[in-house]
Amino acid sequence: QKEVEQNSGPLSVPEGAIASLNCTYSDRGSQSFFWYRQYSGKSPELIMFIYSNGDKEDGRFTAQLNKASQYVSLLIRDSQPSDSATYLCAVSKAAGNKLTFGGGTRVLVKP
Amino acid sequence: GAVVSQHPSRVICKSGTSVKIECRSLDFQATTMFWYRQFPKKSLMLMATSNEGSKATYEQGVEKDKFLINHASLTLSTLTVTSAHPEDSSFYICSAIDRYNEQFFGPGTRLTVL
Repeated sequence: QKEVEQNSGPLSVPEGAIASLNCTYSDRGSQSFFWYRQYSGKSPELIMFIYSNGDKEDGRFTAQLNKASQYVSLLIRDSQPSDSATYLCAVSKAAGNKLTFGGGTRVLVKP
Repeated sequence: GAVVSQHPSRVICKSGTSVKIECRSLDFQATTMFWYRQFPKKSLMLMATSNEGSKATYEQGVEKDKFLINHASLTLSTLTVTSAHPEDSSFYICSAIDRYNEQFFGPGTRLTVL
């Protein structure tokens, strides 16, 4: 079992729709959860982090965390073609600790 | 946000040569930096944790004698790929932790070994 699992996709979403990405993790000791966006040939850029159970919203993005189910998700509202990228879920035992990445979900937003 | 640079951004070398990659935190001090490797269409895999003034901590399966890490100052960590071979061709990405425990990624270095 991989430590952090994501559906590789591609997830095809019409422009303006909601993209829903899921991530599960195996280490119950994980405390910090991150979503990164990575364009081809570029390094990851942080979209959001979440530490507590529940929802966290930032603009068009909402992260959801359920530690009991070891599940974290990302919703992208009003998807734009520029959102087409690979989205990486990452977890760590604490802020500032090493990150364990999932395999990434490729998202394609079609005009 | 804080800025992390990497140099070079792209390097092509012959098999058997050594390549040094620099990772710098430009506007903050970082006692901890991480080195990741990413193969095409794969995710980032942590190679090692670089700690200023001490030996790096390598992840299981990463050869410490092949991937030499030096964190000589609070703003610079270097990764040297010794006796590089084609299978070492990859995208190498560093990250640095600031005093607020936020992690910032460098832009990456594309290594191609012929």
